Amino acid sequence: GMPVEQNPPALSLYEGADSGLRCNFSTTMKSVQWFQQNHRGRLITLFYLAQGTKENGRLKSTFNSKERYSTLHIKDAQLEDSGTYFCAVHNYAQGLTFGLGTRVSVFP
Amino acid sequence: ETAVFQTPNYHVTQVGNEVSFNCKQTLGHDTMYWYKQDSKKLLKIMFSYNNKQLIVNETVPRRFSPQSSDKAHLNLRIKSVEPEDSAVYLCASSLGQFSNERLFFGHGTKLSVL
Repeated sequence: GMPVEQNPPALSLYEGADSGLRCNFSTTMKSVQWFQQNHRGRLITLFYLAQGTKENGRLKSTFNSKERYSTLHIKDAQLEDSGTYFCAVHNYAQGLTFGLGTRVSVFP
Repeated sequence: ETAVFQTPNYHVTQVGNEVSFNCKQTLGHDTMYWYKQDSKKLLKIMFSYNNKQLIVNETVPRRFSPQSSDKAHLNLRIKSVEPEDSAVYLCASSLGQFSNERLFFGHGTKLSVL
């Protein structure tokens, strides 16, 4: 299977809602990055984590290397949060390995 | 902010033609990368390169080659495009030599092969 699995594949939210995305890894990973890809295709880095939890505004991410997962939590969803969210993990020689993404749609 | 610049944004060409995409980073990073994003949105690394080492994903066809004049530039050349090369090509950079670092991406170049 995929070394990086993202769930859910798609997510629909109303403005103001809270929700979470999850990334599971097949093996222990050293660090994780979360990206948002907007409608123009630009990949925007949201978080880089080697351990623990980080917050940035309405977004919060955790990384548990031992349990092999990472989460991204969206609080008070806004229309501009729509896009595809990717998690990606580092392995030593091959750069980032990406999941298939979670497509988030926020509705008014 | 944008610190990794790619040109062109879009390119349409015919099978068998040669194409070249440009990438420049102004972050002072040592390592640059090319990724391919297919129609299913899957992102896969093609090359990582710094002034000491080129790492090639073994699944990349030989018609693809990276070209670098200095550490701020990493272009991608496709010698004879095929229909399956239609995709978005994303350039990225990171500070150090190893992949265990935060990556910064450009806007991407969308290639359509007719």
